Amino acid sequence: GEDVEQSLFLSVREGDSSVINCTYTDSSSTYLYWYKQEPGAGLQLLTYIFSNMDMKQDQRLTVLLNKKDKHLSLRIADTQTGDSAIYFCAEPRSSASKIIFGSGTRLSIRP
Amino acid sequence: GAVVSQHPSRVICKSGTSVKIECRSLDFQATTMFWYRQFPKQSLMLMATSNEGSKATYEQGVEKDKFLINHASLTLSTLTVTSAHPEDSSFYICSARKGVSTDTQYFGPGTRLTVL
Repeated sequence: GEDVEQSLFLSVREGDSSVINCTYTDSSSTYLYWYKQEPGAGLQLLTYIFSNMDMKQDQRLTVLLNKKDKHLSLRIADTQTGDSAIYFCAEPRSSASKIIFGSGTRLSIRP
Repeated sequence: GAVVSQHPSRVICKSGTSVKIECRSLDFQATTMFWYRQFPKQSLMLMATSNEGSKATYEQGVEKDKFLINHASLTLSTLTVTSAHPEDSSFYICSARKGVSTDTQYFGPGTRLTVL
């Protein structure tokens, strides 16, 4: 995951917004993913955004994409205890037929 | 939906033994499956790409003789950790891709391997 970078930890207060940031390297990616991993479980596809979009909103989730800076962010509004998880940014590499994952950001919620 | 299962979910074995982990796509055919290893510091490492009916493609640094991968059908891939050692203890996750051209991967719940 060295080509996709994320900060490792984020702590927010319950009810606040969480913003998880990611930088990627392959400008030819047609879309980018956010995966969620709850404790002891596999990865769940949370959302994705096509590279020709700047923003995608889905209920409490907002994804922002800045192609110029190769920066992707995930905003979770009204963060709840159930949002505690590791969030992975991921970039498909079609040339290699595989997905490159970031290191994951562990989101913790404090009361 | 696209459901991927793994079996077992948790396994403890003695050093020197071999362990087989199964990955199944339950409601779709997966031409390609992927095996990942997740380290304690949470990062995911792609170990190999498994294509049905052909040899797996291993990532650099992954020993193919130690981590045997078989993808005998469109719904099943297996990972066998041979002659396991304590340093092989980890969380192993598989994923499956539905089609040749689509990149969306669906992940299994993972298998926790502990080697004593």
